[in-house]
Amino acid sequence: NAGVTQTPKFQVLKTGQSMTLQCAQDMNHEYMSWYRQDPGMGLRLIHYSVGAGITDQGEVPNGYNVSRSTTEDFPLRLLSAAPSQTSVYFCASSPGVNTEAFFGQGTRLTVV
Amino acid sequence: AQKITQTQPGMFVQEKEAVTLDCTYDTSDQSYGLFWYKQPSSGEMIFLIYQGSYDEQNATEGRYSLNFQKARKSANLVISASQLGDSAMYFCAMRASGGYNKLIFGAGTRLAVHP
Repeated sequence: NAGVTQTPKFQVLKTGQSMTLQCAQDMNHEYMSWYRQDPGMGLRLIHYSVGAGITDQGEVPNGYNVSRSTTEDFPLRLLSAAPSQTSVYFCASSPGVNTEAFFGQGTRLTVV
Repeated sequence: AQKITQTQPGMFVQEKEAVTLDCTYDTSDQSYGLFWYKQPSSGEMIFLIYQGSYDEQNATEGRYSLNFQKARKSANLVISASQLGDSAMYFCAMRASGGYNKLIFGAGTRLAVHP
């Protein structure tokens, strides 16, 4: 059982480049979300989804887009990367509201 | 605004002793959930324990227990019989308003277990 799979694990981008961070889960969870983790801070919510076709903004959505065409996949798109987006990104899924979130291994992104 | 505060940037404990990691929260919601996660140096987020606001008993999971004091808005994690493998960052988190399992995280506490 793979759980939540994020790709890539590491990425270096130049300022202005675009890319998509992939997230897939095989647990049939309805809820999925993206967080970023910066040094000295906890995780902050970027975007979340409560099911296929439904997404909404979290605490720090600027510079990121998401879509949820299937239950399994929840990609995060950076349209024009900026150095301020250098961070570790985590994707998470959960089956319900009062249950723990299962996290992927994280993607370490550096924008130069 | 909802907020999680972890006031201990770093803690250390001797192996086999118990340690308490502090967490206070701020919310006006009546229904909420509190979570603790462990992040070892390898970087993954590992769920440890959950406490619902209406749960009357403190949550326990093996060596982990959550000391939930609702009136004081605190949800401290107690680790009993510390092991070297417990050395990690520990994050307290709260389910945000609107549910959907949106989580608000504290800044974390780095725990070092000494032999």
